[in-house]
Amino acid sequence: EPEVTQTPSHQVTQMGQEVILRCVPISNHLYFYWYRQILGQKVEFLVSFYNNEISEKSEIFDDQFSVERPDGSNFTLKIRSTKLEDSAMYFCASPTRYEQYFGPGTRLTVT
Amino acid sequence: KQEVTQIPAALSVPEGENLVLNCSFTDSAIYNLQWFRQDPGKGLTSLLLIQSSQREQTSGRLNASLDKSSGRSTLYIAASQPGDSATYLCALSNTGNQFYFGTGTSLTVIP
Repeated sequence: EPEVTQTPSHQVTQMGQEVILRCVPISNHLYFYWYRQILGQKVEFLVSFYNNEISEKSEIFDDQFSVERPDGSNFTLKIRSTKLEDSAMYFCASPTRYEQYFGPGTRLTVT
Repeated sequence: KQEVTQIPAALSVPEGENLVLNCSFTDSAIYNLQWFRQDPGKGLTSLLLIQSSQREQTSGRLNASLDKSSGRSTLYIAASQPGDSATYLCALSNTGNQFYFGTGTSLTVIP
């Protein structure tokens, strides 16, 4: 089965610090997504990225967030100045035409 | 905006019992629907995918159905086992892009 990988598995940071979460999607996939899940809440869509551009973003994805594809394989989510409420699991997803394959997630803890 | 609801929020059954998990959605113009399993603190494992033109999909002891006209999907688990204990998430897409998730059903199978 296709595999999506994410690093780190757990990140602890202090409020106000910048964090970068990394994802390696399935090879040759052009669409990538980021989702987050606050503990005990729904998985929420953040942003979709197609062909090196943001194609869609939610109201959660404000100016504190950015996405990049720094090279041919990695895909990053940056939070510029973390807040306590950014503590959550962050998942990247690499879709086929119909199905989304999720990575194992990065648990971000902001203290 | 698509709203996805899952009932019940939690379910506890004895081993060997058959069970049904329910998912309802407000916008019937869906592109596809996917059922996931999530173990505590872990990522999302895809169980079954139903495309909009399909009515059901089966994989082993799992059967998922889709009734777009009534805005419902069900996940049927036959002969439940303790290893089935997890949270089950229903997610769907209207456009083939972002997925909207339900809050999940937490299943406990008692040996």
